[in-house]
This record gives sequence, C-alpha cells and structure tokens, in this order.
Amino acid sequence: DARVTQTPRHKVTEMGQEVTMRCQPILGHNTVFWYRQTMMQGLELLAYFRNRAPLDDSGMPKDRFSAEMPDATLATLKIQPSEPRDSAVYFCASGLDRGNEQYFGPGTRLTVT
Amino acid sequence: KNEVEQSPQNLTAQEGEFITINCSYSVGISALHWLQQHPGGGIVSLFMLSSGKKKHGRLIATINIQEKHSSLHITASHPRDSAVYICAVGAGETSGSRLTFGEGTQLTVNP
Repeated sequence: DARVTQTPRHKVTEMGQEVTMRCQPILGHNTVFWYRQTMMQGLELLAYFRNRAPLDDSGMPKDRFSAEMPDATLATLKIQPSEPRDSAVYFCASGLDRGNEQYFGPGTRLTVT
Repeated sequence: KNEVEQSPQNLTAQEGEFITINCSYSVGISALHWLQQHPGGGIVSLFMLSSGKKKHGRLIATINIQEKHSSLHITASHPRDSAVYICAVGAGETSGSRLTFGEGTQLTVNP
C-alpha cells in the first residue's frame, strides 16, 4: 500500500528555532508538492518539484523557508528562523506528471510559540 | 475575488439525501480536483477531471469547461460522508502542476 509519509507528525518549537520537515514521496512519482493549511488562508501551495528540480516556490517566504529534494526519495522543507505565524499544518503530496492525481501525506502539524 | 469559489460554505443534510457542492473558477485550467478532508486532517483525492463526468461509488463529479464550473454530487448520503470537500484547479501545461484551492465546503450528514 504505497503512501506518502511525512515526519514529524507534530512539532512544537519556540520562535527563532530551526524546523525541518521531511517527506517521502510514493516510489516512482516524479512530482512533489509542499502545501500549507491554516484556518485563515486555507490550503496554499508553497513549492513544487518535478524530477527533483524546483519549478515554483513563489508561494514561499524566501527569507526563512527553503525546500529541497536531496534525492528522489526525500523532500525537505526548512524554516529558519521560525515565527508564530508559521504555525500551520504542512502537507506534502506526490504524483506523476502526466494525467494523474496527487497523493497527500498525513501532514506535519507545526506550532511555534 | 478568489480564483476558485465554492458553494455552499456549510451544508447540513439528513442521511439519505442527495447532496451537491459547486465549484466555479476564473482561470484557465488543465484539470480540476475534488479533495476530501476528514476531521482527523488527512486529505484524500476523490477525483481529477478535465472534461465530462466521473463516478466512484456514490460520488459523481462533473465539469463544464465552457462555463468554468464543476459539481460534486453525493447520492444516498451517510454520516461517514461528513468532511470538508475542497475543489482545486490545476493550472499549467500538465495536470500534475500547481493547485489553487477553494475554501472548502463543510458537510455534516446527520443520522
């Protein structure tokens, strides 16, 4: 049963600390997406990759957020330094580039105090 | 005006009722997605469509490209259908590209 996995599932940290979230896409998928969900903004795209290359990260605050795919089995989203307004659920999704849907991970619930 | 608008925002139904959730969008798209998010927070993709109609069990999704409108129907609704239903549109040259989301419709089905 192929699934997108995300770690950690929950993270509580203090303002100013670095946060790293990890995502393992479904084996064979060549697109990876990072989304953020808040009560105020709903779901919004932060970044996405195709064949490990970043295609669009215009939704991401560049000064503190960074997204990478060190290899085809791992995507990371890093926040440094974190701020309370970063508190949200961060979802990773993966898919195939042509004609297929996106499969969402369970999300990482981040709380920055 | 949001690029993707859903209606209604909230919907309460009795078990067995036929339910319709609507989605209108204002941009050119490569595909439209219907997602389901349960109270536990997990998101499941229900449908991805670029034309016509798709059916899966009691769920039916339709799209009218000319009118930029899609509907999600649930027949014989059940309390386990209670969830947030989110419409999202994919822009770009392939259906695997970035999604823009509606605000979601909170559905509650009472027994």
